[in-house]
Amino acid sequence: QKEVEQNSGPLSVPEGAIASLNCTYSDRGSQSFFWYRQYSGKSPELIMFIYSNGDKEDGRFTAQLNKASQYVSLLIRDSQPSDSATYLCAGMNTGNQFYFGTGTSLTVIP
Amino acid sequence: DAGVTQSPTHLIKTRGQQVTLRCSPISGHKSVSWYQQVLGQGPQFIFQYYEKEERGRGNFPDRFSARQFPNYSSELNVNALLLGDSALYLCASSFDSRGYTFGSGTRLTVV
Repeated sequence: QKEVEQNSGPLSVPEGAIASLNCTYSDRGSQSFFWYRQYSGKSPELIMFIYSNGDKEDGRFTAQLNKASQYVSLLIRDSQPSDSATYLCAGMNTGNQFYFGTGTSLTVIP
Repeated sequence: DAGVTQSPTHLIKTRGQQVTLRCSPISGHKSVSWYQQVLGQGPQFIFQYYEKEERGRGNFPDRFSARQFPNYSSELNVNALLLGDSALYLCASSFDSRGYTFGSGTRLTVV
């Protein structure tokens, strides 16, 4: 069983719409979760981290964590073509190991 | 400020050889971690170091080793290279483990 599972997509949304990216994790003891964006041929870029239940907002991005359901999500409001990338969910488990999902490919259509 | 720097950017090695990859963290960052990323997959965690001590290890064979130096830079060593070791190797640094900043990576090709 993978530590972090993501829908591989691809996900396509029209420009200006809300993109919703989802992730589940298996280690109930995991405390910290991260969303990274990776453009093709580039290294991952940190968007947000979250470690408390609830929502965390930063500009057009909102991360949501539900520890009871072992679920993490990322909402991107007013999606732009420049948001087209692969989004990686990651968590740190109780063994201090950092696990990434396989990523969800997002395309924002102008 | 300089970001995370990795060297070399590209490397070609022959099966059975050994390779050393280098990483300099962002100034002030004491935690460094290493990842292997193959095309179409998310990064796979290899090691985490904090204050020169290993704090986490992923599911990689003993051919993979790493260390962190007093200036917080780090090296990843891979012995007895296999074709399957061909990948992008990423280093990331963090101040407090609340989100890592990645370097541009080293592209290793084993032939």
